[in-house]
Amino acid sequence: AQKVTQAQTEISVVEKEDVTLDCVYETRDTTYYLFWYKQPPSGELVFLIRRNSFDEQNEISGRYSWNFQKSTSSFNFTITASQVVDSAVYFCALSEGSARQLTFGSGTQLTVLP
Amino acid sequence: EADIYQTPRYLVIGTGKKITLECSQTMGHDKMYWYQQDPGMELHLIHYSYGVNSTEKGDLSSESTVSRIRTEHFPLTLESARPSHTSQYLCASSESGTQSETQYFGPGTRLLVL
Repeated sequence: AQKVTQAQTEISVVEKEDVTLDCVYETRDTTYYLFWYKQPPSGELVFLIRRNSFDEQNEISGRYSWNFQKSTSSFNFTITASQVVDSAVYFCALSEGSARQLTFGSGTQLTVLP
Repeated sequence: EADIYQTPRYLVIGTGKKITLECSQTMGHDKMYWYQQDPGMELHLIHYSYGVNSTEKGDLSSESTVSRIRTEHFPLTLESARPSHTSQYLCASSESGTQSETQYFGPGTRLLVL
């Protein structure tokens, strides 16, 4: 079974629309970390946010916000008033165990149309 | 945020050639990783190192080899490149002892084997 599931393979929105990217994870650990990374067409992976399992506070950073809910094992990412520059593949990832290795979801390709 | 560099950014090479992909980081991170990724697809861990003279194979079997002679340097070598090695290779580093051990990524090397 996949440990990190990003069910949305591709999403297209028109500029200024809000968009939410879903991430569902699976772990038996009580201590774990969740991450979101952005991969623009240039290919590099840009770290956006990390959340530990003990902190369920939602976080907002500019147009980005993250909703962490342990009850549903979800860590969703919302972009408000999307812009063309937000077009990228977004990856959710889980880090667990003493090794702290990352398990990535399959990514969501977001296209923001002008 | 880590400063992590990869060279070359793009490489086109013929079958049978030996190649080395370079990865360096300037943050003194003890852990380093190599991932293989087909365009826009999931990342797969192929090698990792927890320190000098320590290297391990990742989840995805790879014909490549790595070495870690210096903390800051983690090169990946393919002795005989084949078309099946065509992919993007991403290097990452993290610092152990921090709670989350966030991995920071380099810009990637896009390899095309003809």
